[in-house]
Amino acid sequence: QVQLVQSGAEVKKPGASVKVSCKASGYTLTNYDINWVRQATGQGLEWMGWMNPNSGDTGYAQKFQGRVTMTSDTSINTAYMELRSLISEDTAIYYCVRNAPFTGDFDYWGQGALVTVSS
Amino acid sequence: QAVLTQPSSLSASPGTSASLTCTLRIGINVGTYSIYWFQQKPGSPPQYLLKYNSDSDKRQGSGVPSRFSGSKDASANAGILLISGLQSEDEADYYCMIWHSSAWVFGGGTKLTVL
Repeated sequence: QVQLVQSGAEVKKPGASVKVSCKASGYTLTNYDINWVRQATGQGLEWMGWMNPNSGDTGYAQKFQGRVTMTSDTSINTAYMELRSLISEDTAIYYCVRNAPFTGDFDYWGQGALVTVSS
Repeated sequence: QAVLTQPSSLSASPGTSASLTCTLRIGINVGTYSIYWFQQKPGSPPQYLLKYNSDSDKRQGSGVPSRFSGSKDASANAGILLISGLQSEDEADYYCMIWHSSAWVFGGGTKLTVL
């Protein structure tokens, strides 16, 4: 069965970087896009960007441009999201999500990774 | 003004129907967008429910009951998620989403209470 398993919770200081992993199983990573969506506690969903693990193409939300990088290692079926220059407002659960290219069928979600930014 | 606006909360009784709206900002025509809907229960990731563009272009998420359906109200410039035969397990947050200006955009979500 399809699963996206994310790395564990992280605590970072302001100004630091965090890299969250998302290991796919039950399908081939290169056949679908991976999106990243975050959710602050008690708040709504915020889309951060997408990547195509086959081509390496990416697209980032304007808000995160210059501060986020999405990559993948297809040899281990794993996608990554790195967010730099962290501020307290980046404290949130970060989800990886699979979708067929050019669709919004976000059909499988990772369990989420809590990133806490605190001094 | 936000691209997508959802009412923050809605209450409905078991066995009845609930209509959740997702209103597009003025100048963004609902007729040209596919609307995607997600359900999120506390402590869990969102779950994909369905996509609705038109009656001939729609898609149900895997395992999603047919009592969840989508539509559009052109006069209100809104997408609609209709949940019929409400059950207590339908109590959750619901989000709509569209692809707009090269980005996926979520609505703020509606908390549905079934009581």
